[in-house]
Amino acid sequence: QQQVKQSPQSLIVQKGGISIINCAYENTAFDYFPWYQQFPGKGPALLIAIRPDVSEKKEGRFTISFNKSAKQFSLHIMDSQPGDSATYFCAARDSGAGSYQLTFGKGTKLSVIP
Amino acid sequence: KAGVTQTPRYLIKTRGQQVTLSCSPISGHRSVSWYQQTPGQGLQFLFEYFSETQRNKGNFPGRFSGRQFSNSRSEMNVSTLELGDSALYLCASSPDGGAYGNTIYFGEGSWLTVV
Repeated sequence: QQQVKQSPQSLIVQKGGISIINCAYENTAFDYFPWYQQFPGKGPALLIAIRPDVSEKKEGRFTISFNKSAKQFSLHIMDSQPGDSATYFCAARDSGAGSYQLTFGKGTKLSVIP
Repeated sequence: KAGVTQTPRYLIKTRGQQVTLSCSPISGHRSVSWYQQTPGQGLQFLFEYFSETQRNKGNFPGRFSGRQFSNSRSEMNVSTLELGDSALYLCASSPDGGAYGNTIYFGEGSWLTVV
């Protein structure tokens, strides 16, 4: 199975709140999990990424939590700001497959309201 | 360092025509991948090229093809365009290997509208 399931589809958060987006995967060969942020009219931009040998990675206000046994990972955006309003995609890659193919979730449209 | 450059940014084609999209990867990157993005299907992998060889291919019909040149620049071609081919076509590049070998960078895409 190559699917990556992402939820919720859309999310509205007040300024200063915490935004949480969840993803689940089935392919245990996946070994690289990036999150991408996409603004309207732009290509996806790499936000943060994690490998399954760590349970958490933090970069500024963005944190990835990873649960290998549950095959789930999530993105937490602390102190959410209106400028964070964008669509967020989780993705996964099987590095052992010898390819740079990313399998993406369907995306979460985040709206941060003042 | 320049990012991934895609041309043209916008184009309108008629059903039955063909289209060629171009991608210049980040300097030094040897892997180039292509993705199709639509509201309904999200981001779907088309194919990946490395050192002028197709390394992997997604589940798309043979009308979708690509190639990579010796300077790592890549083109993708869609023949006999259908209305459903209207999408944002994204190119991504990666250095392939090393500490940042997994990092994949996207261009801003080429918006294709088929009428």
